[in-house]
Amino acid sequence: GQQLNQSPQSMFIQEGEDVSMNCTSSSIFNTWLWYKQDPGEGPVLLIALYKAGELTSNGRLTAQFGITRKDSFLNISASIPSDVGIYFCAGLAWSGAGSYQLTFGKGTKLSVIP
Amino acid sequence: KAGVTQTPRYLIKTRGQQVTLSCSPISGHRSVSWYQQTPGQGLQFLFEYFSETQRNKGNFPGRFSGRQFSNSRSEMNVSTLELGDSALYLCASSSGVGQETQYFGPGTRLLVL
Repeated sequence: GQQLNQSPQSMFIQEGEDVSMNCTSSSIFNTWLWYKQDPGEGPVLLIALYKAGELTSNGRLTAQFGITRKDSFLNISASIPSDVGIYFCAGLAWSGAGSYQLTFGKGTKLSVIP
Repeated sequence: KAGVTQTPRYLIKTRGQQVTLSCSPISGHRSVSWYQQTPGQGLQFLFEYFSETQRNKGNFPGRFSGRQFSNSRSEMNVSTLELGDSALYLCASSSGVGQETQYFGPGTRLLVL
């Protein structure tokens, strides 16, 4: 099946620093999604990307859909303590007749040092 | 508008038992998807229901099944539980099939002893 390689697995950064994480795959996706999960909660959608090359921002978050459709990255600028959590990428691939596969990366655990 | 609710929040079972988890979607949402989350495998898609019909399915054995009722509430059943079924089971609802704008519930944490 499809697999996503998400890196880094974890990162410790100083408050105010910028953060970058990415996902790569050998498969092509139609949509890339980025989620954040806080402890004891379900994931929350941060950004959705629909076109190769698309660059989308949501406040301090910026994500891009890779030109090859096999990768995506997420940047967080000027990190703050509430950015702490686990960030997941997910790739959605439609296979026709309303069927699709949704594959998640293993997550990047972000810790912010005040 | 109330969010996605899942019951129970925590559950302990023993090997060989079966379990039923419940999910109530956001009012007006007709699609409910189920996911299994474990430290080793991460988030994995189980299946999606829309208007009481299973529309998409992940790669899980037949011990994992689900259903959706006419009010869009959904249940997931796991029979003959194995230790490896210990996980956080998440449910997400959306307005249509395959909609990426899914809203997740807090999950049911299942521990199999």
